Amino acid sequence: SQTIHQWPATLVQPVGSPLSLECTVEGTSNPNLYWYRQAAGRGLQLLFYSVGIGQISSEVPQNLSASRPQDRQFILSSKKLLLSDSGFYLCAWSPRLAGGPGTQYFGPGTRLLVL
Amino acid sequence: SQQGEEDPQALSIQEGENATMNCSYKTSINNLQWYRQNSGRGLVHLILIRSNEREKPSGRLRVTLDTSKKSSSLLITASRAADTASYFCATDVSPGANNLFFGTGTRLTVIP
Repeated sequence: SQTIHQWPATLVQPVGSPLSLECTVEGTSNPNLYWYRQAAGRGLQLLFYSVGIGQISSEVPQNLSASRPQDRQFILSSKKLLLSDSGFYLCAWSPRLAGGPGTQYFGPGTRLLVL
Repeated sequence: SQQGEEDPQALSIQEGENATMNCSYKTSINNLQWYRQNSGRGLVHLILIRSNEREKPSGRLRVTLDTSKKSSSLLITASRAADTASYFCATDVSPGANNLFFGTGTRLTVIP
């Protein structure tokens, strides 16, 4: 069966510090991968998605970047965190389907607090 | 934008009652999905309904889709305290598109 891992679960970082959040998927190959951010009590904002190694699409201009160094690894990074980067970060994967994104499967999330 | 909007934003009911949540979207879709999120956790997929389907049941859940009105509803029957969560609808945009657009969610509280 497929599983998705995210770490860390919680992170408190000072403004201006770097960030690296990691997401890995097991039990599937060639998944589409996604990074979302969720503000408290709000919906999901798609940050990045990837359809393959080294292929990253960004949905919104921001202080963050993403990389996919391996097929089942997706990394969210920042060189210098801003207060506004605080939030709940969710990684998700979906099978590569011809007809669209299909069902997405989410990781447990990382709660980031920038102080 | 294509992003869906759920209505109501919050809903509080007694255990055993039915809960209905609505979702509206703006452009044509190929399918619509409903997800559930427990507080502080990741989202869990509930149901996917295709644009050529009008109704889809799954246990105590039932999703309807009206493409002419660009709306969908999620019905939870005989609610339980464990159904307390936020519920989101998500729409795809077109075949081959890789993204889902998530609504803002309905926060459901089921009082025991």
